[in-house]
Amino acid sequence: DGGITQSPKYLFRKEGQNVTLSCEQNLNHDAMYWYRQDPGQGLRLIYYSQIVNDFQKGDIAEGYSVSREKKESFPLTVTSAQKNPTAFYLCASSSSGLYGYTFGSGTRLTVV
Amino acid sequence: AQSVSQHNHHVILSEAASLELGCNYSYGGTVNLFWYVQYPGQHLQLLLKYFSGDPLVKGIKGFEAEFIKSKFSFNLRKPSVQWSDTAEYFCAVSPPNDYKLSFGAGTTVTVRA
Repeated sequence: DGGITQSPKYLFRKEGQNVTLSCEQNLNHDAMYWYRQDPGQGLRLIYYSQIVNDFQKGDIAEGYSVSREKKESFPLTVTSAQKNPTAFYLCASSSSGLYGYTFGSGTRLTVV
Repeated sequence: AQSVSQHNHHVILSEAASLELGCNYSYGGTVNLFWYVQYPGQHLQLLLKYFSGDPLVKGIKGFEAEFIKSKFSFNLRKPSVQWSDTAEYFCAVSPPNDYKLSFGAGTTVTVRA
């Protein structure tokens, strides 16, 4: 079945450590996105990529980094510079704006 | 970035009651509009979308939404809810030919049996 796979589902990180969240899609979608979901704040865009080897900052990119070396993959690194990293992270992909997004199941990151 | 406002943070209602969730956006041009649902423990799923044509859009599971351009609104409705409609609902907006979606804060709907 086509879809988006995010791993791991749960992740614990010590303060001061970088951590990378995986996102893989087999939908042949050109665009991929990372959102952060916090209670009462909805989904906020961290980074997005419309094509391989290109990506842009979203609304809350500080403390995060991404790469897009392959069409299928869009990993997100949460760096030690991110002041409040504990959150639920969602990856999504789309072929065009008309059809909306397909979402992954998310990664819950907890900083301990 | 455009703003998307969902007016209700938490709605509690009984089975068979009618549901209406408000969504307004602040963007002057033509937009694409979406409602997503997140059932407990599940992925975000697309309920319905609007990009042109009939402003009354029907989606899955008996939901519909009405686009009112003059009010910058895209409210979600369901005439008779079921316990299984308990979920979080998100309104989202994007301009045409822009892949990015801006989401509202979400509305948690609790349906009591």
